[in-house]
Parts: sequence; C-alpha cells; structure tokens
Amino acid sequence: DAKTTQPPSMDCAEGRAANLPCNHSTISGNEYVYWYRQIHSQGPQYIIHGLKNNETNEMASLIITEDRKSSTLILPHATLRDTAVYYCIVRLYNQGGKLIFGQGTELSVKP
Amino acid sequence: DVKVTQSSRYLVKRTGEKVFLECVQDMDHENMFWYRQDPGLGLRLIYFSYDVKMKEKGDIPEGYSVSREKKERFSLILESASTNQTSMYLCASGQGAVETQYFGPGTRLLVL
Repeated sequence: DAKTTQPPSMDCAEGRAANLPCNHSTISGNEYVYWYRQIHSQGPQYIIHGLKNNETNEMASLIITEDRKSSTLILPHATLRDTAVYYCIVRLYNQGGKLIFGQGTELSVKP
Repeated sequence: DVKVTQSSRYLVKRTGEKVFLECVQDMDHENMFWYRQDPGLGLRLIYFSYDVKMKEKGDIPEGYSVSREKKERFSLILESASTNQTSMYLCASGQGAVETQYFGPGTRLLVL
C-alpha cells in the first residue's frame, strides 16, 4: 500500500508556482521522499528526492516539514507542459526493488 | 542523456500467443524492472532483476516470465497471452543507493 496521501487534482495558472502537497505521517527516520510525474501516455519521470533538508534542482524544489510528516513539491513557474500526474513516494534509502505509486495528484496547468 | 527504450509503443496480439516485450537501457544500470499500469490500480511490479541472469518476482508475476542475458537488456515474456493482460507495460532501470528509477515510454498491449 502507498504510504502517502495526495489531493486527487489541482489547477494552476501558467507562469504561477504550483505547490503540490503530500502527507506521509507514518514516515520513518531512514525513509526518503521521492517525487515522480507522468505525462499522459508516457513513462514516469523522476523529479527530485529528499530526506529532511529542502532540496532544489533544475526542475523543482522540495520542502519537507521539520517533523517530516508532510512535504510540498514546488514548480516555480508552471508551464502547460507540466500538466501531468505527480506522485509522492516514500521509500528506504538503498532499498532497491519496487516503487509504490499511489494515486497521485493530477495537475492541470491552464493558460 | 539517460535512455530506456522499449521495443514497441503499441502491440496487438491474440489470445494464446507468446508475446515478447524488450527493454534496453544505455546507462549500465544493474537493476531493471517491469511494471504494468492499469486505470485505478496504479503501477504494479511484475518482475525485477538486479544482475545478469538474476530475477526476482514482484507482486504479480503469474502469467509472465523474464530474461536477462545481457546487462542492458531485460525481456518480459507472456507465455500465453490472455485478455486480462491487456495493459500498459513499463520498463525501468536504476542503480545505486538512491536508485532513481528511469522509465521507458511504455508499451500499450492489447490482447484480443
């Protein structure tokens, strides 16, 4: 079972920041938070991951709360091409094996 | 650039046929995975492999087998295709402690 809870859908205006929340209240100390997205009819794409510090890369920023029970993925300037289903995944570092994808958040970026 | 390719984007087969789905990665990754994705069920792991000639069952291995003769290639085999195997099949590869998994574009299989 997925260990995360996400809203099923969100809208965002093009050019604005998209903030996608994720709850993972049962996360343990050695579990990482990963984000993937899946654009329609394509394979999932890795975005970012983190343990407890905030992370940023060329695609997005990841903000993890101090108690690590929730996190937010931020797309700073959403474009129409960011329309996709976004998955928040919790897993052990060096676990290997499967990724457990929940239902994700369907983000619609509108002009 | 990271690349995982799958042999077909769309495939139509008949019930009872033997079906081969091929996946190739160019990143020298040790680990490779086969998932299927169905509406309302999300992604489910069928098989994975952490080395050449090694394989491990995932959550739904029944009706499938796999082959990994070379590091870069991981094949999924449907021994006798059935209509309930109509699905989107996704291959992924990964390596290392963080093991970001990189996915191929997917093969949409229809079994008639």
